[in-house]
Amino acid sequence: KNEVEQSPQNLTAQEGEFITINCSYSVGISALHWLQQHPGGGIVSLFMLSSGKKKHGRLIATINIQEKHSSLHITASHPRDSAVYICAVNGNQFYFGTGTSLTVIP
Amino acid sequence: KAGVTQTPRYLIKTRGQQVTLSCSPISGHRSVSWYQQTPGQGLQFLFEYFSETQRNKGNFPGRFSGRQFSNSRSEMNVSTLELGDSALYLCASSLGQLGGLTSYEQYFGPGTRLTVT
Repeated sequence: KNEVEQSPQNLTAQEGEFITINCSYSVGISALHWLQQHPGGGIVSLFMLSSGKKKHGRLIATINIQEKHSSLHITASHPRDSAVYICAVNGNQFYFGTGTSLTVIP
Repeated sequence: KAGVTQTPRYLIKTRGQQVTLSCSPISGHRSVSWYQQTPGQGLQFLFEYFSETQRNKGNFPGRFSGRQFSNSRSEMNVSTLELGDSALYLCASSLGQLGGLTSYEQYFGPGTRLTVT
């Protein structure tokens, strides 16, 4: 049983495309996090959400608490966005999705 | 402000040995969490330490243990290493405790890549 489900697992996009990654969870949470992991392992926190919507540059994250669902959108995608994006939820511990591997082709 | 540091960055051990990994959190952060990442299982929560006490623990055997010192630095120990323990071990620090009423952003270290042969 996975507490956090992410889709798609793999995504290839052309530069400039609008990208959406989805995350559903089944546990009670205090917050949901979107993380970015580049080859080599380093993880960066992109967003922490407990309600509504947040925007940083070309990245937008939304969460619907009632539906237990979140989306990460990337507008005008760029090759430097190529990375693994991981959804994680903050309950009494951290539960992670399996990640979405994004490749943006120039 | 310096980020989260982990030492060593790479480690090769033999089955049956034990290993200790170290994590230094961001100054002022009192929570340190440990995670294991493998290609098969992805990221999994090991445990969290806050104010020198283990607050939460994931589903790992007792061979995995840790501790936190008064300066918030944390160590993780794995005894009787198995081939399946080969993984990237990440720690993350935050101002407050996981699972509380207030959520805190996690700051991840670069990880320690452990290879068990």
